Amino acid sequence: DTGVSQDPRHKITKRGQNVTFRCDPISEHNRLYWYRQTLGQGPEFLTYFQNEAQLEKSRLLSDRFSAERPKGSFSTLEIQRTEQGDSAMYLCASRGQASYEQYFGPGTRLTVT
Amino acid sequence: QKEVEQDPGPLSVPEGAIVSLNCTYSNSAFQYFMWYRQYSRKGPELLMYTYSSGNKEDGRFTAQVDKSSKYISLFIRDSQPSDSATYLCAMSLTGGGNKLTFGTGTQLKVEL
Repeated sequence: DTGVSQDPRHKITKRGQNVTFRCDPISEHNRLYWYRQTLGQGPEFLTYFQNEAQLEKSRLLSDRFSAERPKGSFSTLEIQRTEQGDSAMYLCASRGQASYEQYFGPGTRLTVT
Repeated sequence: QKEVEQDPGPLSVPEGAIVSLNCTYSNSAFQYFMWYRQYSRKGPELLMYTYSSGNKEDGRFTAQVDKSSKYISLFIRDSQPSDSATYLCAMSLTGGGNKLTFGTGTQLKVEL
């Protein structure tokens, strides 16, 4: 099994621009999670998919954020009209149906200037 | 008050020391407990996973969960400089998607 992969690894964007991140989970993992981590803090839950269905969204996920998992495999996280407060590491994790262990990708580091 | 409290450190120990890392939590419904290791600017790496109370050992690592005290620990024996990283505790409920609630992480430095 290859691990969770994320693309891009780094993104620098100007305030007001839209950005999109991609996550490829471990194959056959049907659950996929997005978290956000700021400096000196632990990751915070954003949203969760079971197959292609988005089952939960955190209050942290404002209307400018949208996530999809169209075929139950890879997922995308889009941020519209980025703000400086969006600067963070965006982490993706996946887990299989039979276990509760979540495996994380390397993250996408977003810097909004 | 945060649901999961973790001393941010930094914690500095000599090589070969036994390291003790701890978290306390307030939600008694948490059932699944994990420890992750995170190197600078990398994603978290799963080290240990425990269900409910008890101990679990894997090589130099031992995880303990005391649900009555709402307290979990990670012990690292014979610590090495390569263990220098941030250690995150995480926990989840049964059901509800099992989203993880993390502590802030403890920064550990193992010195030669």
